[in-house]
Amino acid sequence: RKEVEQDPGPFNVPEGATVAFNCTYSNSASQSFFWYRQDCRKEPKLLMSVYSSGNEDGRFTAQLNRASQYISLLIRDSKLSDSATYLCVVIFLTGNQFYFGTGTSLTVIP
Amino acid sequence: DGGITQSPKYLFRKEGQNVTLSCEQNLNHDAMYWYRQDPGQGLRLIYYSQIVNDFQKGDIAEGYSVSREKKESFPLTVTSAQKNPTAFYLCASSMEVDEKLFFGSGTQLSVL
Repeated sequence: RKEVEQDPGPFNVPEGATVAFNCTYSNSASQSFFWYRQDCRKEPKLLMSVYSSGNEDGRFTAQLNRASQYISLLIRDSKLSDSATYLCVVIFLTGNQFYFGTGTSLTVIP
Repeated sequence: DGGITQSPKYLFRKEGQNVTLSCEQNLNHDAMYWYRQDPGQGLRLIYYSQIVNDFQKGDIAEGYSVSREKKESFPLTVTSAQKNPTAFYLCASSMEVDEKLFFGSGTQLSVL
């Protein structure tokens, strides 16, 4: 089983739609969680950290469910510019390494 | 402006040749990392360094080498032993090992 798993998609949604991605992780002793955005052939850029209480940044909401070992990203009112691949990243307490999901591809359609 | 600079953006390697990818950061970060990204796959860790003059192998270190002589610099050499080097290479850094990562713009390596 992979340390971090994501549905690769692709997710094709119309402008203005709400879309949600999940990411599951295998190690219960995980300490830090992030969502990154990656455009084609560009570097990943930090979208938001994920806190235990959940957090929101404009149209983006991130949540953590430690009991079920997953994190989620919700995008409301999708824009064309949201089209990208979204990577979840988990840091495990053991080894202090970053583990990346394979990414979920989102295309927002006019 | 602080950031991470990778060069070159595109690199071509001939059979049997060693090539070196540059990574420089002026963020004063202690930890630096090299990742490889193949189409449809997640990032895989090649090497990482938590401090000057020290580095650790990641999941796919075979065929690669690194050095960390200065805090700012973490070059990656792709040796001739790496039989399938074509990939997108990303350098990253973080203040500490469990802090968020900042990435360079990447180097696309292809084999001639």
